[in-house]
Amino acid sequence: QVQLQQWGAGLLKPSETLSLTCAVDGGSFSGYYWSWIRQPPGKGLDWIGEINHSGSTNYKPSFRGRVTMSVDTSKNQVSLKLTSVTAADTAVYFCARGRIPARFKNAFDLWGQGTMVTVSS
Amino acid sequence: DIQMTQSPSTLSASVGDRVTITCRASQSISRWLAWYQQKPGKAPELLIYKASTLENGVPSRFSGSGSGTEFTLTINSLQPADFATYYCQQYDDYSATFGQGTKVEIK
Repeated sequence: QVQLQQWGAGLLKPSETLSLTCAVDGGSFSGYYWSWIRQPPGKGLDWIGEINHSGSTNYKPSFRGRVTMSVDTSKNQVSLKLTSVTAADTAVYFCARGRIPARFKNAFDLWGQGTMVTVSS
Repeated sequence: DIQMTQSPSTLSASVGDRVTITCRASQSISRWLAWYQQKPGKAPELLIYKASTLENGVPSRFSGSGSGTEFTLTINSLQPADFATYYCQQYDDYSATFGQGTKVEIK
């Protein structure tokens, strides 16, 4: 049973860098695209971007310049960094797997448990 | 970005009811549409992809239809486990976008 386990700092001050990691446990890592999606409290879902095992990325334009995704194939992990955070970045952050291997533009069939990140001075 | 608009935002229904949620795209997305169910404090779960294909393990009372710009999610004979928030998502564009959600609550 494939599972995604994610972790990272939950409380940040404005201007700091958000850093989260998602580990793929029990299944194939290579060949899939791995996305980060966030959900502000009480609101809807907002896709941030995706990365594959070789490090190819596709970021939502509104996050370009602040977001970096990376991959560690030796550990089957993907990471998210978001710089210069503000209160507007307060959200639950999810990692998720693209359903169709080797394809951008996907539905998401496997999700991490979510990590609440709060930005407050 | 392609904008996704769901209606209604909230739906009150009883166990056994048939409910329908609509999702409209701001431009044609062919059939590149997924539906998710989310319960409080949990990650979303994929119900349907490619507009009408049921994900493995999803009960057959869930069905999806549509193409182009208009899509529907139907739940036949609503069960207690189905009270949740539902999201549509387009994946025709390189930036995925979601609808704002439809909360299905107990009448």
